[in-house]
Amino acid sequence: DAGVTQSPTHLIKTRGQHVTLRCSPISGHKSVSWYQQVLGQGPQFIFQYYEKEERGRGNFPDRFSARQFPNYSSELNVNALLLGDSALYLCASSQYQGGGRETQYFGPGTRLLVL
Amino acid sequence: DQQVKQNSPSLSVQEGRISILNCDYTNSMFDYFLWYKKYPAEGPTFLISISSIKDKNEDGRFTVFLNKSAKHLSLHIVPSQPGDSAVYFCAASEGSQFYFGTGTSLTVIP
Repeated sequence: DAGVTQSPTHLIKTRGQHVTLRCSPISGHKSVSWYQQVLGQGPQFIFQYYEKEERGRGNFPDRFSARQFPNYSSELNVNALLLGDSALYLCASSQYQGGGRETQYFGPGTRLLVL
Repeated sequence: DQQVKQNSPSLSVQEGRISILNCDYTNSMFDYFLWYKKYPAEGPTFLISISSIKDKNEDGRFTVFLNKSAKHLSLHIVPSQPGDSAVYFCAASEGSQFYFGTGTSLTVIP
């Protein structure tokens, strides 16, 4: 079975631009979460989506937005890019049974560099 | 505010010996804990988890221990192998939101 897939693998943008990152979850998983990992830190939670609805949001500015599609794939959008947005963006999928205690499985990530 | 902490950024262990990775947390509402392993240029790979109702969970060479009163989590790898060399992250969840530590880089010396 295919794992979580993300595209693109690498991306270079300049300040002020907009970026869209994409994620396809493991087959049968209905929840997708997005994380930002900067060098030397652990992944920081950005969003969780389930059944096209936002179920959780981390402490990120409104420049960050996401959506989930009927096939459970997801997009993360970042507007007005700043140098500090340079990071590895990770997508994780889970079955989401609503009671917590679920395991999230990660994709390989998209490495974003903002110049 | 870092709710999950891994205070050892790195650890070196001889092949065949035990590796012990530690993690502390501050939020008593966390009810599920996980360990992930990460190689460079890859996403984190799930290793093992433990629910807050248990104090130990084993899976092959990997055992996770949970001490709720101390808010402390540890991962034991026995015996350590060179292929275990990677960055290990602990994570804790409250509902659907996960909080990660900053990682410990494990090097297993052949």
